[in-house]
Order: sequence, then C-alpha cells, then structure tokens
Amino acid sequence: EAGVVQSPRYKIIEKKQPVAFWCNPISGHNTLYWYLQNLGQGPELLIRYENEEAVDDSQLPKDRFSAERLKGVDSTLKIQPAELGDSAVYLCASSPPGDTQYFGPGTRLTVL
Amino acid sequence: AQSVSQHNHHVILSEAASLELGCNYSYGGTVNLFWYVQYPGQHLQLLLKYFSGDPLVKGIKGFEAEFIKSKFSFNLRKPSVQWSDTAEYFCAVRRGFGNEKLTFGTGTRLTIIP
Repeated sequence: EAGVVQSPRYKIIEKKQPVAFWCNPISGHNTLYWYLQNLGQGPELLIRYENEEAVDDSQLPKDRFSAERLKGVDSTLKIQPAELGDSAVYLCASSPPGDTQYFGPGTRLTVL
Repeated sequence: AQSVSQHNHHVILSEAASLELGCNYSYGGTVNLFWYVQYPGQHLQLLLKYFSGDPLVKGIKGFEAEFIKSKFSFNLRKPSVQWSDTAEYFCAVRRGFGNEKLTFGTGTRLTIIP
C-alpha cells in the first residue's frame, strides 16, 4: 500500500516569494492533516480536513497561509508571501476514522 | 489545551542497555496515546499506540509502553537497545475517539553507541 506522498521534498525560496506544497493521502483516508515542524520541536497542527471541509484551521496563519482540498483527496498548502520564520518542515498526514495518523516524508522549506 | 512533556531531550546509551523514555501529558479526559519514531532521513512512523484496554502495549521492534492514568504518563521502554534504534522519538496525545489533532512532545533524540 502506498503511503502519504508529498512534493516537493525540499524547497528553497527567497523571502516574499510564494510557495506551495502538495500532498496525496493514503487511498480511502478521509481525514487529512497539515502539520508544521520547527527544528527541535514536535509537529504542530496547521489544518485538518474531513473530506473537502476544513474542520480545524484555528492554528493556520490566515494572513499568509491558505490550503485547499477541492475533491476531498489531495491537498495543497500555500504560503504567500513567505517569511524567514516560515523555514521548517511541512508534514502531511492522513487517517481512517478514529485511527492512527500516517505521515508523509515532509517538505523542508528554507526561506532566504 | 493539552500538552505533552518529554523530559529527556537527548539520551545516549550503549548497545544492550535498557531504555526508558518519559512522557507526561496534561489532559484530564479520555485520550489516545502514541509513540512515533523518526529514523535518520526517514519520515515519522508509528511505534505503538494505546486506545483502551490493557495499559501495557507492545509495539514494533521490541518496544513497549505503559499507560499509567493516575500519573498521566505513557513511558516507552525497551529491555535491550540496538544501534539501529538510533532515532528521534516523539510522544503524542489525542483527545477522545475521533479524528482530532495529535499534540506532540518536543521529542527525545536517542543515540546508541555500538
């Protein structure tokens, strides 16, 4: 069974530029999560989707971050414009109802 | 809001030594508890989980954890570590039985010396 797929794996951009990350969850998993992991920290939730509905986006900085999951399958997370402090690993996870969350390899973002 | 504490930031052990990594959480209601591992260059993988029932749970690669409700703890143990256990270990808690977010600890870096 294929795991959670994320791309790109690495991204280097200059500050004020836009950037987008893509995630394809495990087939059949209706719940999709985006987490942010700073160096030396555990992941923190940015947004959670149930199918195409964002049900928890309270931690998403909405002035510069946006996300979508239009058909309830894959998802895109966007930052515009990026700031130096956005350098981190962006993780996508998916889960079946009430069960374990499975994580993708993450996208390591470096903002110069 | 719940929080998770992992007091050991970096643990260094020799092969065959016994391991115990501490994890405490702050939420007083029903919780699901997890330990994830991240090997160098790899993604987060589930090591073991507790939802209900027997508070002593066994995971992959000889790891186990014990849920002690009265102490709000879910410590990870392994009787004899191997060099291949070198990794970062994260404890995580989820409220209730649904699809709520995971709240992670800051992680413990484990280095095993051959």
